[in-house]
Amino acid sequence: QKEVEQDPGPLSVPEGAIVSLNCTYSNSAFQYFMWYRQYSRKGPELLMYTYSSGNKEDGRFTAQVDKSSKYISLFIRDSQPSDSATYLCATPGPGNQFYFGTGTSLTVIP
Amino acid sequence: KAGVTQTPRYLIKTRGQQVTLSCSPISGHRSVSWYQQTPGQGLQFLFEYFSETQRNKGNFPGRFSGRQFSNSRSEMNVSTLELGDSALYLCASSPNQGFEEKLFFGSGTQLSVL
Repeated sequence: QKEVEQDPGPLSVPEGAIVSLNCTYSNSAFQYFMWYRQYSRKGPELLMYTYSSGNKEDGRFTAQVDKSSKYISLFIRDSQPSDSATYLCATPGPGNQFYFGTGTSLTVIP
Repeated sequence: KAGVTQTPRYLIKTRGQQVTLSCSPISGHRSVSWYQQTPGQGLQFLFEYFSETQRNKGNFPGRFSGRQFSNSRSEMNVSTLELGDSALYLCASSPNQGFEEKLFFGSGTQLSVL
């Protein structure tokens, strides 16, 4: 079982929709989670980070962790075509090694 | 502050050749990590360097190696290339602050092995 699993999609939504992106993790010891956004032919960029204790909001983005089900979510409100990208969840493991989900490809249609 | 710089952006090699990729981290970041990204496997950890020492290594064959210089710049080398080595190779630097650690990625080197 992989440390972090993610539905690869692809996900296609109309502009203005609320998007929900999800990951599950295997180890209840994981405490700190990140969401990265990756545009085509670019490296991942850090979008948000949060702890297993709750939610974090940043503008149109909300990161949520459900410890009981080991579930991580990223919500995007009022989605824009510029949000079209691949979204990756991640958590740090031992020795500064990070575990990444395989990414969910999102397309927001104008 | 300049971001993580990786060179070259694109490489085309043939099987059996070797390749060297370069990474310059964000100024002040002493930890450099390398990841391989493929469509099927996602990002897989190769190795991490800190102060010129490899601190951690992923589950890759010995054909994959790296090093870090005193200015924190890093190189990774892949010898005897195989078709399956075709991937986006990403370098990331981090401040190694011990808490809320974050990785900052370069744009990657796209390696194609023919």
